[in-house]
Amino acid sequence: DGGITQSPKYLFRKEGQNVTLSCEQNLNHDAMYWYRQDPGQGLRLIYYSQIVNDFQKGDIAEGYSVSREKKESFPLTVTSAQKNPTAFYLCASSRDREVGELFFGEGSRLTVL
Amino acid sequence: QKEVEQNSGPLSVPEGAIASLNCTYSDRVSQSFFWYRQYSGKSPELIMSIYSNGDKEDGRFTAQLNKASQYVSLLIRDSQPSDSATYLCASSGGYNKLIFGAGTRLAVHP
Repeated sequence: DGGITQSPKYLFRKEGQNVTLSCEQNLNHDAMYWYRQDPGQGLRLIYYSQIVNDFQKGDIAEGYSVSREKKESFPLTVTSAQKNPTAFYLCASSRDREVGELFFGEGSRLTVL
Repeated sequence: QKEVEQNSGPLSVPEGAIASLNCTYSDRVSQSFFWYRQYSGKSPELIMSIYSNGDKEDGRFTAQLNKASQYVSLLIRDSQPSDSATYLCASSGGYNKLIFGAGTRLAVHP
């Protein structure tokens, strides 16, 4: 089955630690995205990538980093510089390089203790 | 600041009724509009997209777009308890970014 796999689904982190969230897709989509969702708020774009070895900052990139070494993979690292990292993180992909219809993974819920 | 505005709800409708969800957007250059459904604790799922003025129907769902008024709506006919979810409106604001509203929570009661 084609889709997007995110792992882990739940993650607990101590303050000061970096964590990496995995996102893998087998849809053969060019574009991939990372969003953050906080209660009562819309999705906010962290980073996006339209092609391998290239990525762009979204609206809230500070404290995050990404890589796109393979078409299938777009991992997100939440660094210790992110002041309020507790959130629901969503990875998505789209068939076209221009923003269109997004397919989302199941999400990763990060809690900082 | 480009924005998409939605009433947070909850919008409560009886089973079998029509649910009407509304959305306004501020960026006049937006060309594409999307409705996503998100069940509690789950990820969003695309249910409708609309690109031109007028109505677009898909099963029990109808999306309506009025670019002059910068207004998008989603109608759900014959609402079912399984339609209870948060509905996110999004516009394509250029620069390869979707702008999402905060969502409207819909509750369909038997």
